This record gives sequence, C-alpha cells and structure tokens, in this order.
Amino acid sequence: EAGVAQSPRYKIIEKRQSVAFWCNPISGHATLYWYQQILGQGPKLLIQFQNNGVVDDSQLPKDRFSAERLKGVDSTLKIQPAKLEDSAVYLCASSLDVSQETQYFGPGTRLLVL
Amino acid sequence: AQSVTQLGSHVSVSEGALVLLRCNYSSSVPPYLFWYVQYPNQGLQLLLKYTTGATLVKGINGFEAEFKKSETSFHLTKPSAHMSDAAEYFCAVRGFNKFYFGSGTKLNVKP
Repeated sequence: EAGVAQSPRYKIIEKRQSVAFWCNPISGHATLYWYQQILGQGPKLLIQFQNNGVVDDSQLPKDRFSAERLKGVDSTLKIQPAKLEDSAVYLCASSLDVSQETQYFGPGTRLLVL
Repeated sequence: AQSVTQLGSHVSVSEGALVLLRCNYSSSVPPYLFWYVQYPNQGLQLLLKYTTGATLVKGINGFEAEFKKSETSFHLTKPSAHMSDAAEYFCAVRGFNKFYFGSGTKLNVKP
C-alpha cells in the first residue's frame, strides 16, 4: 500500500513570495490533514478535510494561507505572501475517515523563508 | 480542552538502558492517546495507541505505554534502548476528532 505522498520535499523562498505544497493521501482515505511543525515544536493542525469539505480550519491563518481538496483526493496548501515565521515543515496526513483514530503521515515539506 | 505536556525536551540514555519518556495530558472527554516517532527528515510514524480496554499498550519496536487515568499520564517505556531508537518522540491526544501534539522529546542513545 502506497503511503502519503508530498511534494516538494524542500523549498526555499524569499518573504512575500508565494508557495504551494501538494499532498496525495493513501487511496480510499476520506480525511486529510495539514499540519505545521515549527522547529522544536509538535505538529499543529492547520486544516482538516473530510472528502472535499472542510471540517476544521480554526488555526489556519486565512489572510495568507489557503487549502483545497477539489475532488476529495489530492490537496494543495498555499501560502501567499510568505513571512519569515512560516519557515517550518508542513506535514500532510490521512485517515480512513474522521472517526478513525489512526493517521498516516507523509514525509513533509520543509519550507525556509528568507 | 485537550492538551499534552511532554516533560523533558531531550533525554539521553545508554544503549541497553531503560527508556522512559513522560507524557501528561488534559482532556475534557475520554482520551484517545498516541505515541509517534519521527526520524530526521521523515514524517511521523505511529508507535502505539490507547483507545479503550487494557491500559498497558504494546507497540512496535519493543515500546509500550501505560494509561493512568488518575495521574493523567501516558508514559512511554522500553526496557532496553537500541541505537536505532534515537529519534524524536511525540505524544498526542485526540478529542472531538482533533489531534493535539506535545512539543516532543528527542531521545539520544549513547554507545
């Protein structure tokens, strides 16, 4: 069974630029999560999808961050414009559905904003 | 509200020694509790989880954890550390279909 795929693995941009991350969850998984993991901290949930609907985006900085999961499969997370404090690892995870307690994580995208 | 506190951001043990990583949680609902491991430049991998039933939970790689409701704790242990256990470990609690992670503990294993 293929795991959660993410790309790119690394990205370096300058502040005020825009960036997008892509995630392909495990086949058949209805729930998809995006987390931000700042160095030295645990992952923080940014947004949670159930199929193509948003379940929770309470911690997503909506003035600069956006995410979509148009067909209920792949998802993209965008930052525009980026700030220095956005430097972090962005982790995507998926689970069978929102009631399932087990999440499967991708390898993450490491973002550095200069 | 749900939250997790991991005591000790860095723990160092000798190879073959006991590993003990501490986790305390706060939850307004019966908690589901998890331990994840993260190796450098990789995502998180589930070690073990407690949902209901037996309070001593066994996971992969010889790790286990015990849910103690009275102490609101879910400490992770392994009888004998191996060099390959060097990684960062995260405790997490799930409530209302959301996961809350601790800040992590980096385990260093000395030869």
